[in-house]
Amino acid sequence: DGGITQSPKYLFRKEGQNVTLSCEQNLNHDAMYWYRQDPGQGLRLIYYSQIVNDFQKGDIAEGYSVSREKKESFPLTVTSAQKNPTAFYLCASSPARGGEKLFFGSGTQLSVL
Amino acid sequence: QKEVEQDPGPLSVPEGAIVSLNCTYSNSAFQYFMWYRQYSRKGPELLMYTYSSGNKEDGRFTAQVDKSSKYISLFIRDSQPSDSATYLCAFSYNQGGKLIFGQGTELSVKP
Repeated sequence: DGGITQSPKYLFRKEGQNVTLSCEQNLNHDAMYWYRQDPGQGLRLIYYSQIVNDFQKGDIAEGYSVSREKKESFPLTVTSAQKNPTAFYLCASSPARGGEKLFFGSGTQLSVL
Repeated sequence: QKEVEQDPGPLSVPEGAIVSLNCTYSNSAFQYFMWYRQYSRKGPELLMYTYSSGNKEDGRFTAQVDKSSKYISLFIRDSQPSDSATYLCAFSYNQGGKLIFGQGTELSVKP
């Protein structure tokens, strides 16, 4: 059953703590993306990767970091530098030349304790 | 001026109604136009995808693009309670490019 798996579903961060959100896909897609969704603001692009070992900043990359060591995996770290991390985080993937046809995971809700 | 404008709603309609959801945009370079449906606390799923002006129909759903007016619409015929979700419009400059999303319209279809 192909798809994108995000974990955990809910995550809590303490002040000054880094946390990592997991994203795994078995769709054999080349491109992967991280979006942040806040109420009433739609989706904003954090980082994206079109190939293993390469990634680019999106519109709101400050306070976040990513890695792409394997085609299937694209973890997102929310660092302590991100002062307003509470949001719903969505991971997506797409075929190499189909960036407009995104397949999304179920999301991770990150909250600050 | 925002690049994409979408009325956030919420929009509440009775079952069986025709629903019209709309987005306006300012960038004439957009070539690809999409509608995603997002159920509560889930990831969005691609509902309709169109390239250039015109209409595209898929079952009860019709996507309409008017590039001259920079306006896209999604029509839902015979709406069902299962259509209750947030609908996001999205735009792209080129194939494989970055998507620009609207803020989403929350739709509720009452039985």
